[in-house]
Amino acid sequence: DTAVSQTPKYLVTQMGNDKSIKCEQNLGHDTMYWYKQDSKKFLKIMFSYNNKELIINETVPNRFSPKSPDKAHLNLHINSLELGDSAVYFCASSPRTSAGANVLTFGAGSRLTVL
Amino acid sequence: QQQVKQSPQSLIVQKGGIPIINCAYENTAFDYFPWYQQFPGKGPALLIAIRPDVSEKKEGRFTISFNKSAKQFSLHIMDSQPGDSATYFCAASIENRGSTLGRLYFGRGTQLTVWP
Repeated sequence: DTAVSQTPKYLVTQMGNDKSIKCEQNLGHDTMYWYKQDSKKFLKIMFSYNNKELIINETVPNRFSPKSPDKAHLNLHINSLELGDSAVYFCASSPRTSAGANVLTFGAGSRLTVL
Repeated sequence: QQQVKQSPQSLIVQKGGIPIINCAYENTAFDYFPWYQQFPGKGPALLIAIRPDVSEKKEGRFTISFNKSAKQFSLHIMDSQPGDSATYFCAASIENRGSTLGRLYFGRGTQLTVWP
């Protein structure tokens, strides 16, 4: 009955590799996000999708490419991983309603470690 | 630059104490101010939120005080418990604008420890 689920929870990989993180939500929300939490716990938005359409694309390297096959799924693919990509990546979702659009439900996070 | 500034970075209180976490912002367009609670290994979870049309909001033991003129808001935890030990994040956003939907600007977090 998990609301926002991400896989994998932990990911350890070598520099230069390509990896993907998957996210699914069963809340019926229209909007999904990727947030990055760095080693100092600072949280920053990377992308947002509304019903499969890209809405927010922060200043993120082109190596990061989100894909939303449907409004319940938002995946994150990262090419040519670098040491600085090590972080916890959180998927989140929110309803489209004006009262709830900024009420985000976060997943448990995917900790990426690049060696 | 940092849109929302949060202090203190860490806070230790005894059980029953009233920890207070403060946040300040500059952008007067912000009109939604949530607080999130994060336990180790978990994602942030919405705790309580306020909009600038009120100066205080209370939910259980958690209270937000909001000072619009000073562009500051704070979280008070009454009768704190060891189970409240977590990292607390304040945030700010602009509602009802398509390009900013869900864009939360987070403070840097406060690590709260409540001793039994």
